[in-house]
Amino acid sequence: AQSVSQHNHHVILSEAASLELGCNYSYGGTVNLFWYVQYPGQHLQLLLKYFSGDPLVKGIKGFEAEFIKSKFSFNLRKPSVQWSDTAEYFCAASNTDKLIFGTGTRLQVFP
Amino acid sequence: ETGVTQSPTHLIKTRGQQVTLRCSSQSGHNTVSWYQQALGQGPQFIFQYYREEENGRGNFPPRFSGLQFPNYSSELNVNALELDDSALYLCASRAPTGSFEQFFGPGTRLTVL
Repeated sequence: AQSVSQHNHHVILSEAASLELGCNYSYGGTVNLFWYVQYPGQHLQLLLKYFSGDPLVKGIKGFEAEFIKSKFSFNLRKPSVQWSDTAEYFCAASNTDKLIFGTGTRLQVFP
Repeated sequence: ETGVTQSPTHLIKTRGQQVTLRCSSQSGHNTVSWYQQALGQGPQFIFQYYREEENGRGNFPPRFSGLQFPNYSSELNVNALELDDSALYLCASRAPTGSFEQFFGPGTRLTVL
């Protein structure tokens, strides 16, 4: 069955710390991968996406993710987080329009 | 802002009632998908509409139904509401090009008492 797993449910960091959020997927065939962010009270916003090509993908706000096919992973990284990065982060996968989301990781960044 | 709008913002209903949620897709986007996001969970795919027809459905019972109109706006209807239907309902639209990128609206928060 198609699924997306996010292992970190709640992450607490201080400003300037480095961030890595894990995402693993189980999907047959070609897969498109996404990271979405949901700031408090706001709509889901696309951070970055991977369809093909360079497995290191750069997104908005300094985020990047690396697609490692052999590990079925698509981890999100940011070298130095800011207080404004406090939000819920969702990994998602698809090979059609049907997005399969992980359960999300709540990130809290303290000044 | 994504250009996808949803109404109403919040809604309170009682068990057994029916509800209609509305979505206006981003200009030029002819594919609309609906998702249910329960508290503390990721969004779950309900169904998708393309050219006014259902084009894919997730694991939701038939009391969840929808419509898409010629202007690509869409409705989600839920009959015989249950307490577990309490959730944030998200609408997402996609452009007719090959990209699978979807743009989400702000959602409708439905509370069933």
